[in-house]
Amino acid sequence: NAGVTQTPKFRILKIGQSMTLQCAQDMNHNYMYWYRQDPGMGLKLIYYSVGAGITDKGEVPNGYNVSRSTTEYFPLRLELAAPSQTSVYFCASSSPERGMNTEAFFGQGTRLTVV
Amino acid sequence: SQKIEQNSEALNIQEGKTATLTCNYTNYSPAYLQWYRQDPGRGPVFLLLIRENEKEKRKERLKVTFDTTLKQSLFHITASQPADSATYLCALDRNYGQNFVFGPGTRLSVLP
Repeated sequence: NAGVTQTPKFRILKIGQSMTLQCAQDMNHNYMYWYRQDPGMGLKLIYYSVGAGITDKGEVPNGYNVSRSTTEYFPLRLELAAPSQTSVYFCASSSPERGMNTEAFFGQGTRLTVV
Repeated sequence: SQKIEQNSEALNIQEGKTATLTCNYTNYSPAYLQWYRQDPGRGPVFLLLIRENEKEKRKERLKVTFDTTLKQSLFHITASQPADSATYLCALDRNYGQNFVFGPGTRLSVLP
């Protein structure tokens, strides 16, 4: 199992450009998440999905969009890149059930710089 | 408003000592609390989970306590080693995994 795979690892964008951060998981997890991590600020939830076709906003969704057409993939779209979106982005997945373990598995991250 | 705090941004200890990291939260009622380890340039890796009805959980040299009255979790690493140097994140899990909320992390350095 590869776990959670994110691409690309690094990207530099110009202001106003758009891009899609890719995330795939091969663990058949229902739940998937996108976080951003800024220095000293911890992880902030952008969007999450509890299953194919279902997405919901997290703490900091503005400027981002997601889709979840299959269980495996959960891409994050930036439409008009802004310097404030410079950050490290992490995708994660989990398979929670009531009363059972809900650990999250994270990808290696995408370091995005908007200039 | 809801808030998670970890006791300090950075903690330095001598090899062989016990490291104790603190996670405090306000205005939450978590079903679970988790601890993750993050190395530079990598994603967080799960370490331990403790449920709201559990007081303590152990795994090898790691121990976590969870006091829902104090709204606090303590994370201990006994017989610490330089390889334990990393950032440790606590996370509150509400709605059985629908929302993970992370603290800012504590950067632990174990000095040889």
